[in-house]
Amino acid sequence: GESVGLHLPTLSVQEGDNSIINCAYSNSASDYFIWYKQESGKGPQFIIDIRSNMDKRQGQRVTVLLNKTVKHLSLQIAATQPGDSAVYFCAIGDNAGNMLTFGGGTRLMVKP
Amino acid sequence: EPEVTQTPSHQVTQMGQEVILRCVPISNHLYFYWYRQILGQKVEFLVSFYNNEISEKSEIFDDQFSVERPDGSNFTLKIRSTKLEDSAMYFCASKKLASQETQYFGPGTRLLVL
Repeated sequence: GESVGLHLPTLSVQEGDNSIINCAYSNSASDYFIWYKQESGKGPQFIIDIRSNMDKRQGQRVTVLLNKTVKHLSLQIAATQPGDSAVYFCAIGDNAGNMLTFGGGTRLMVKP
Repeated sequence: EPEVTQTPSHQVTQMGQEVILRCVPISNHLYFYWYRQILGQKVEFLVSFYNNEISEKSEIFDDQFSVERPDGSNFTLKIRSTKLEDSAMYFCASKKLASQETQYFGPGTRLLVL
């Protein structure tokens, strides 16, 4: 089965700094990776995804990096803002598209 | 922008009672999911549903759980006889296409079993 782990439970950054949230996974056959943001009392909100045929993908202020060699995924947020404060989950899709396996979450706290 | 909606937002029930959690997936989506999140823990997969059938289910999804798409818009999760440990946030999700497509989540129903 797939297991997904987070390196740090809480990350505190200064407003305007860049944030990096990390995630490790165990199944080298994993093919689809997603980052979700969850604000208090809300459902997971899609941020960005990446497939295993890529090692980097950029969105608006966010970048996902995939290192398949060490089975590591990271989310980089540029110029972190107070509105970025949330819990961030990495998730991995099974190759059949039937389920997502979520990591434990990292709480990002942005200090003004 | 289309969203997944869920009702109710909160539900309190007595142990042993049946509850039905309701979801309206995004209208042109074909694949539907339920997940749960116990307070302070990670999101856990319960079940996936496509073409009026369960595609996959986890160990959590035992005989007390069932899902149904009673009409063209609703997708429900029923817990027949709730237990204290069923207390959690329950999230519905949907996606349009088959494999490796983004799942979009609803806001969740907070279930509290007393």
